Amino acid sequence: GNSVTQMEGPVTLSEEAFLTINCTYTATGYPSLFWYVQYPGEGLQLLLKATKADDKGSNKGFEATYRKETTSFHLEKGSVQVSDSAVYFCALSTHQLIWGAGTKLIIKP
Amino acid sequence: DAMVIQNPRYQVTQFGKPVTLSCSQTLNHNVMYWYQQKSSQAPKLLFHYYDKDFNNEADTPDNFQSRRPNTSFCFLDIRSPGLGDTAMYLCATSRDMGGEFNEQFFGPGTRLTVL
Repeated sequence: GNSVTQMEGPVTLSEEAFLTINCTYTATGYPSLFWYVQYPGEGLQLLLKATKADDKGSNKGFEATYRKETTSFHLEKGSVQVSDSAVYFCALSTHQLIWGAGTKLIIKP
Repeated sequence: DAMVIQNPRYQVTQFGKPVTLSCSQTLNHNVMYWYQQKSSQAPKLLFHYYDKDFNNEADTPDNFQSRRPNTSFCFLDIRSPGLGDTAMYLCATSRDMGGEFNEQFFGPGTRLTVL
């Protein structure tokens, strides 16, 4: 069946560090891929998406590239800020949305 | 701005006392979803409506019910809440289902505490 695997958290970084959160997936067909972010006490917000192989989604300095050959959609940011502290969810969409377990990111000043 | 609104943001209820959570949307989306989320875990889908068609997940307890009286509103009814139902409840919408149409828009959530 379809599934999403994310790196376990929490991930703790210092401000201005480079961020990678790994996400790999298993799916039949050609899913769309999403990254959602959840700030403390809030609902989920779409951070970025990609709908076909080699697409790059980007938003707020975050990027992720849809790699079909490695079935991956890793989230990256060149220089993180304290305000990026949140839980990040990778998800794939075929008929329904399949969620990864989430990765908590903690950025220290 | 088009959005998804949930009321109330916080709800405290007693064990066994029925509670209703509400969700409204101004996006005019076809699909509305209810999720349960505990402790920043992945949200767990309870059910969804595609227009007026109700779709229950196989492992959603019978204690949870939903109503969608019109396109804009959807309600989650918990008939006899137990302590294990303490969680964040998230409402979401999408224009359609499948592929990129599953891009879901979330409300801020209702944090339910059962005492």
